[in-house]
Amino acid sequence: GQQLNQNPQSMFIQEGEDVSMNCTSSSIFNTWLWYKQDPGEGPVLLIALYKAGELTSNGRLTAQFGITRKDSFLNISASIPSDVGIYFCAGQLRETSGSRLTFGEGTQLTVNP
Amino acid sequence: NAGVTQTPKFRILKIGQSMTLQCAQDMNHNYMYWYRQDPGMGLKLIYYSVGAGITDKGEVPNGYNVSRSTTEDFPLRLELAAPSQTSVYFCASSYSGTQNTIYFGEGSWLTVV
Repeated sequence: GQQLNQNPQSMFIQEGEDVSMNCTSSSIFNTWLWYKQDPGEGPVLLIALYKAGELTSNGRLTAQFGITRKDSFLNISASIPSDVGIYFCAGQLRETSGSRLTFGEGTQLTVNP
Repeated sequence: NAGVTQTPKFRILKIGQSMTLQCAQDMNHNYMYWYRQDPGMGLKLIYYSVGAGITDKGEVPNGYNVSRSTTEDFPLRLELAAPSQTSVYFCASSYSGTQNTIYFGEGSWLTVV
C-alpha cells in the first residue's frame, strides 16, 4: 500500500525559531493535508492542499504541495509554546469508491520558552 | 456543535471479550471512518463507509467489524479482543471524498489485558 515518510520524527527548538518538516510518498496523491494533534485529542486540520505546486498559508503556517505530487512541506514561522504537539501529514487519494487518508508517522514538536 | 462524538473515552477489556465503540456525527456527512493510532505512529484506517448501508475495509480491518445502518452512526465492533488491539481509536467523518475536511472525534483509549 501507499507509504508516507515524515521527517523529522521529532524537533526541539527555541521559541521564536522557524520550523520545517516534510513528507514524501512512494506514490502520487491528489490532496495533501497537514494536521496537528494535541495530547488526548483528535487531529485537527491545519492546511489542505489540492493542486501540485500550491502554496498555502494559515497564519504562521505555510504548506506546499510538491510538483511531483509525491511530497509536501510544512513550515512554521516564529514558533511559540502553543505550537507544541504532533504534526501529521496525510495524503488523500480521491477514488470513485471513496476517499481515504494515508498518514505519516508524525513529527513531535517541542518548543522551549 | 457536537461534531463527531465517540464513546467510551476509555475502556479496559480482557482478552477474548467483545465490545462496541460508538461513533455519531451530526453534520450530515456521508463518509465516515475508523482509524487506530498506536504509540508514536500515525493513524491507520480500519474501515470506512461512503454512505448508509455501505462499508469497506481499510488498511488494518482484521479483528474488527462495522455497520452503517444510518447516516449518523458508525459503530466499530471488536469480537474477540486481543492485546494487539490496545490502541487509541479515532472516528472521523466528511462530506463526499473530494476536496473537503475530515473531522475527527476526540478518541477512545482501549487497553486489552
